[in-house]
Amino acid sequence: DIQMTQSPSSLSASVGDRVTITCRASQDVITRLAWYQQKPGKAPKFLIYGASSLQSGVPSRFSGSGSGTDFTLTISSLQPEDFATYYCQQSYSFPFTFGPGTKVDIK
Amino acid sequence: QVLLQDSGPRLVQPSETLSLTCTVSGRSFSLYHWSWIRQAPGKGLEWIAYISDSGITEYNPSLNSRLTISVDSSKRLFSLKLSSVTPADTAVYYCAKGGVSHYARGYFDHWGQGILVTVSS
Repeated sequence: DIQMTQSPSSLSASVGDRVTITCRASQDVITRLAWYQQKPGKAPKFLIYGASSLQSGVPSRFSGSGSGTDFTLTISSLQPEDFATYYCQQSYSFPFTFGPGTKVDIK
Repeated sequence: QVLLQDSGPRLVQPSETLSLTCTVSGRSFSLYHWSWIRQAPGKGLEWIAYISDSGITEYNPSLNSRLTISVDSSKRLFSLKLSSVTPADTAVYYCAKGGVSHYARGYFDHWGQGILVTVSS
């Protein structure tokens, strides 16, 4: 199985801050990497696929980059609705695996 | 727009079989790939099963021997069975839609609302 790790596990930030979350895969997943946002009691929301392609309807302040084993999710200017937990996920091979999540909360 | 509605019992007895259904409305059903994903209380996301538009299945090896996923395209639904459940299977179970192409099968762009299934006597 491909193991996914994320850092940090949590962070505190203010509205307007630039936030970067890192995801690492235990082996090469090329660009088969997605990012999701989850708020308490809700289903995850699909943000980014192919490591850097923004899903339709997702604000442009979200961006993704990386390939191989190292990836990042960046929120250029944090908004109040962005406080949530973020997960990366590889879709390169079965079993699909998620990172443990990064919780972004208010400083 | 595609809408997924997961349904099933919310309480299952230990050692019994958990059965869930996801009904899909909206755009074409048979073009897509479908998965089940679960989340134990306070924990992260765990992918557990997949079925393709042609009926090919894949399972999480950690649960493989206990899982069955199936699809009924005529009724626009897919289902999950997890046998011999224990309290460790208590989780919110989500059905999810993957993309059309092979490479997008693991990009979950639409999710059901989730159903909390508790395994307890």
